[in-house]
Amino acid sequence: GDKVKQSPSALSLQEGTNSALRCNFSIAATTVQWFLQNPRGSLINLFYLVPGTKENGRLKSAFDSKESYSTLHIRDAQLEDSGTYFCAAEAPSSFSKLVFGQGTSLSVVP
Amino acid sequence: DMKVTQMPRYLIKRMGENVLLECGQDMSHETMYWYRQDPGLGLQLIYISYDVDSNSEGDIPKGYRVSRKKREHFSLILDSAKTNQTSVYFCASSLSGSNSGNTLYFGEGSRLIVV
Repeated sequence: GDKVKQSPSALSLQEGTNSALRCNFSIAATTVQWFLQNPRGSLINLFYLVPGTKENGRLKSAFDSKESYSTLHIRDAQLEDSGTYFCAAEAPSSFSKLVFGQGTSLSVVP
Repeated sequence: DMKVTQMPRYLIKRMGENVLLECGQDMSHETMYWYRQDPGLGLQLIYISYDVDSNSEGDIPKGYRVSRKKREHFSLILDSAKTNQTSVYFCASSLSGSNSGNTLYFGEGSRLIVV
């Protein structure tokens, strides 16, 4: 089964609204990273997380290792937030081999 | 400026031909990666390299090999390309192989079509 499961798989947001993306882990994740793949195909690192929360502008992410999930909150969505969001988890003794989720495709519309 | 550079960006090859995808980084990162991305499958790890001549298989290494002779350079080689290796290939690097500060930086991707 999927070791890293993302939900929803696709999402359409009105500009200016808020939403949350989620990753559930069936592995004992110790760190989580979130990436945005923009419409040009470039993968941009958004967050690197140990258990806890981080915030960067309109984005906020949390990682709960005990409950095995991570969230990415988008506030006041803008058109340039459109793209596919991936989370990736690292487990103990994985020797830096990140496991990626399948992605959430986000479309922000006017 | 931190950068991971992939060459070529686009490539069309015939089945059975050899393919060389090259990746360079200017950040003195120890760890480098090759992933492939296919629709609906996300990113799958092909190989990871922890330093020069220190490479390890990922989840889907079959049909691929890698070479890392310099820390800043990591190559992915397909000997006798197959049509099911048509994909977008991403190289990435990170500072170290430890749990701390292991942020990945990705290249722009190399789109390979095997006909």
